[in-house]
Amino acid sequence: NAGVTQTPKFRILKIGQSMTLQCTQDMNHNYMYWYRQDPGMGLKLIYYSVGAGITDKGEVPNGYNVSRSTTEDFPLRLELAAPSQTSVYFCASGGGRGTEAFFGQGTRLTVV
Amino acid sequence: QQQVKQSPQSLIVQKGGISIINCAYENTAFDYFPWYQQFPGKGPALLIAIRPDVSEKKEGRFTISFNKSAKQFSLHIMDSQPGDSATYFCAAKGRGSTLGRLYFGRGTQLTVWP
Repeated sequence: NAGVTQTPKFRILKIGQSMTLQCTQDMNHNYMYWYRQDPGMGLKLIYYSVGAGITDKGEVPNGYNVSRSTTEDFPLRLELAAPSQTSVYFCASGGGRGTEAFFGQGTRLTVV
Repeated sequence: QQQVKQSPQSLIVQKGGISIINCAYENTAFDYFPWYQQFPGKGPALLIAIRPDVSEKKEGRFTISFNKSAKQFSLHIMDSQPGDSATYFCAAKGRGSTLGRLYFGRGTQLTVWP
C-alpha cells in the first residue's frame, strides 16, 4: 500500500524557473493538502482540496498554483521560483471528514 | 497569526523521564486535536488525537490531556526512550467551511538522552 507518493524527493531550481511537484494518493481520499515546512515555523498550508475539481487557498498561497482533476492527483505548480520558496514541501491526504491526514515523504526544494 | 501556539520549541529529557509538550488555541470552532511525530527526512505521522468532549486519551506511553475551558491541550510521553527523539507537532482541525483543514503548531524538537 503506497499511501501518499511525492516526486521528486529533491530539486534545485534557478530563480525564475518553473516546476511541478507531483502528489498521488491511492487511499481514495477526498481531502488533499499541500504544506510547506520551514525550520522552527511548523507546517504552513499552501492549498487544499476537498474533492476533484475543488481547490482553495491556505495560509501561504502566493507564488503557487494547484489543480485537482482526479481524486488521486494533486500537483503543485511553482511558476516563477524565488529564493523564498526554498523549503520542504509535504503533500497530505485525509479520508472521510479529513480527520486523519497521511503525509508523503516530502520534496526538498532549493531555489538559487 | 498563529492559530495554535506550541511550547517549548525544544526539550531535552533523560531516558525514563516524562516529556511534556503544551499547546494552546483561540478558535472555539476547532473540533479535533491531533499530535504528529516527525523523524528527520520523513513526513509527519499521526501519533494520537483527541476530541474536545474528552479530557484525556491514553495510548501506550502517550497521553493527551485536554482542557476545554482553558483552550489548552498537552502531550505527555511517559518513560521517554531515545527512539522517541523526534519533532512533535500539535494541530487543530476546524469544522464548517474549513472542514478538513489542519492548523499546526510550530513544533517541539524532543531529544531523549540514553
